[in-house]
Amino acid sequence: DVVLTQSPLSLPVTLGQPASISCRSSHSLVHSDGTTYLNWFQERPGQSPRRLINRVSKRDSGVPDRFSGSGTGTDFTLKISRVEAEDVGIYYCMQGTHWLTFGGGTKVEI
Amino acid sequence: QAQLVESGGGVVQSGRSLRLSCAASGFPFLHYGMYWVRQAPGKGLEWVALIWYDGSYEHYADSVRGRFTISRDNSENTLYLQMNNLRVEDTAKYYCATYPGSDYWGQGTLVTVSS
Repeated sequence: DVVLTQSPLSLPVTLGQPASISCRSSHSLVHSDGTTYLNWFQERPGQSPRRLINRVSKRDSGVPDRFSGSGTGTDFTLKISRVEAEDVGIYYCMQGTHWLTFGGGTKVEI
Repeated sequence: QAQLVESGGGVVQSGRSLRLSCAASGFPFLHYGMYWVRQAPGKGLEWVALIWYDGSYEHYADSVRGRFTISRDNSENTLYLQMNNLRVEDTAKYYCATYPGSDYWGQGTLVTVSS
């Protein structure tokens, strides 16, 4: 089974400063169809999770451009260029290449 | 507008059964694999079960294998999760989503299993 390891578990941030979350996979996430099904989700306090980034780097509709995703193979990163107060929450990476796996989550707090 | 709407959650006693539904609209449901994922109170996300676009294959998490059954009715654009022999640890909010890209994701339905 694929294991996704996120770091850090907790990320204290400063408003206006950048932030970065790592997601490492135990296996390459390149699917046989050539796509890397690595997504990032945001869970704000009291809300359902919503997808921010799909297929490593594609921002979903309505997601601010301060969010970006990158990476290849087994190492992936979610970056926030300038943290805003509304970015507080828990972030999960998730892979759909080899069945499904979710990372353990990273709590972003001011 | 594409959406997934879950229903069927509620409070049930340990050992009983519950059937969740997920109604899809606004996208070609029969072209997508589907899965259920859950989130226990204060915990992370855990996938539960997935099914191929045509229903020909199912895959389950170890924690629910043998108790839960995923199915779909492509003529009704609906996904199901039959949950038998429920346990207190199955208490969670259950979401349905498309596989493998999670392009569409529902708002969830809450299942509470009491002892």
